[in-house]
Amino acid sequence: DAGITQSPRHKVTETGTPVTLRCHQTENHRYMYWYRQDPGHGLRLIHYSYGVKDTDKGEVSDGYSVSRSKTEDFLLTLESATSSQTSVYFCAISYALDTGELFFGEGSRLTVL
Amino acid sequence: GENVGLHLPTLSVQEGDNSIINCAYSNSASDYFIWYKQESGKGPQFIIDIRSNMDKRQGQRVTVLLNKTVKHLSLQIAATQPGDSAVYFCAEIKYTGANSKLTFGKGITLSVRP
Repeated sequence: DAGITQSPRHKVTETGTPVTLRCHQTENHRYMYWYRQDPGHGLRLIHYSYGVKDTDKGEVSDGYSVSRSKTEDFLLTLESATSSQTSVYFCAISYALDTGELFFGEGSRLTVL
Repeated sequence: GENVGLHLPTLSVQEGDNSIINCAYSNSASDYFIWYKQESGKGPQFIIDIRSNMDKRQGQRVTVLLNKTVKHLSLQIAATQPGDSAVYFCAEIKYTGANSKLTFGKGITLSVRP
């Protein structure tokens, strides 16, 4: 299994509070991604990173920000969580941007009350 | 578990039978098609891929078929085992350099009967 660790794995929070999810990889892959997974929508890309301090938006980036200060860490922040952000969040890594072979973490289940 | 299998189409097969999971893709210009498997409580896992200039590709116990005429992708699993029970996603990617985009389908649940 690819060395990808997500934390926390489960979190319950209240509307309006900030939340940060962490993704840590030991594979030294350049590209890292945050996806959310919801019933009826499948996996949707939130943000991705193509290097340290280099990030870009995905298709559902509103309400989320990311940071990558080290190759191995990619943080996803919800500045002010809303109930619509209740979801399962997956981090993924890849060795190239134009590849369909992503390695996923185990997921972080976030519930916003 | 950390997967979202609710409200997905379900394919039920007998253990030992062959399974065929189908997917209709949307972009006729996609360059590359991929199948992922997601077991309950885990993240998606890459199974096999196929380039758009191919019709068929075989892996270990799995075969992917691509029909570009009708924009149809299928995953065949030979001698289905209980460990094959999972949600299966097809995905497609169009190469556009820095803006290459990987798009996932909504998934199909495979249930293997003992």
